[in-house]
Amino acid sequence: SQQGEEDPQALSIQEGENATMNCSYKTSINNLQWYRQNSGRGLVHLILIRSNEREKHSGRLRVTLDTSKKSSSLLITASRAADTASYFCATDAIKTSGSRLTFGEGTQLTVNP
Amino acid sequence: EPEVTQTPSHQVTQMGQEVILRCVPISNHLYFYWYRQILGQKVEFLVSFYNNEISEKSEIFDDQFSVERPDGSNFTLKIRSTKLEDSAMYFCASRRRSPGGQGTSSYNSPLHFGNGTRLTVT
Repeated sequence: SQQGEEDPQALSIQEGENATMNCSYKTSINNLQWYRQNSGRGLVHLILIRSNEREKHSGRLRVTLDTSKKSSSLLITASRAADTASYFCATDAIKTSGSRLTFGEGTQLTVNP
Repeated sequence: EPEVTQTPSHQVTQMGQEVILRCVPISNHLYFYWYRQILGQKVEFLVSFYNNEISEKSEIFDDQFSVERPDGSNFTLKIRSTKLEDSAMYFCASRRRSPGGQGTSSYNSPLHFGNGTRLTVT
C-alpha cells in the first residue's frame, strides 16, 4: 500500500505568503517526519511529530497530525525564496527496530521573489 | 555537525558491470539505510541494516544487491550486474537510537542523509 501521499504535487507562491502542504498515509505509525530536498541534494530532516502529538512548531514551520484521519500538514509561514525545494513526508510505521521510513511523492514548492 | 558522506558523487558504468557505492555514516549511529530516487520520482527504500545484518529489505533489493559494513565505519551497497533501470540517485542514511529509549529501538529519531551518488548505467 502507498504511504505518505502529499498534495499538492506542486505549489507556487510569492515571497511572504504561507505555504501549506498535506500528507495522507494508510497504516499505523510511531511518528511522521517532514524532509526537505534541494535539487540534486540529499534530504534534510525538518521536523518529527510523534503519534501522540497533535501539533508541533519549529521556527517558521508548523506541523499538525491527525491520526484519526491519517493525515498531516506542514505549514511554512512568511516564505522566502530560499524555501524553494521539494518537501516530503515520511512515515515511521509501528514495526521492529531499524524499520524503514516510507516517503511520499513530495510537493515541489516554488517561492517567487 | 557530523554528517553522512557518500562517494563517489557520480558514477557512470556500463550495463552488466558491478558497482560499489560507499557511505560513511555518522559515527555514533546504529541504523543504516540505502534509498534510491529515480529522477523526478519518489524516494524508495532499498534496505536497512543493524547489528551487522539486514533488518529489512524491499522488493527492489533483489539478489543483484548486497550491503556490507566491512570495517565498522564504511557502509557499502554493491550492485553485481547493473541494468539500465538501476540509473538513479542512491542515498545512504543513518540514525541513532531513540533519545532516552530503552532497548534497541530506533523509533522517534530522524534519518540523516548523505548527498547521494548519481549512478548512470549506459
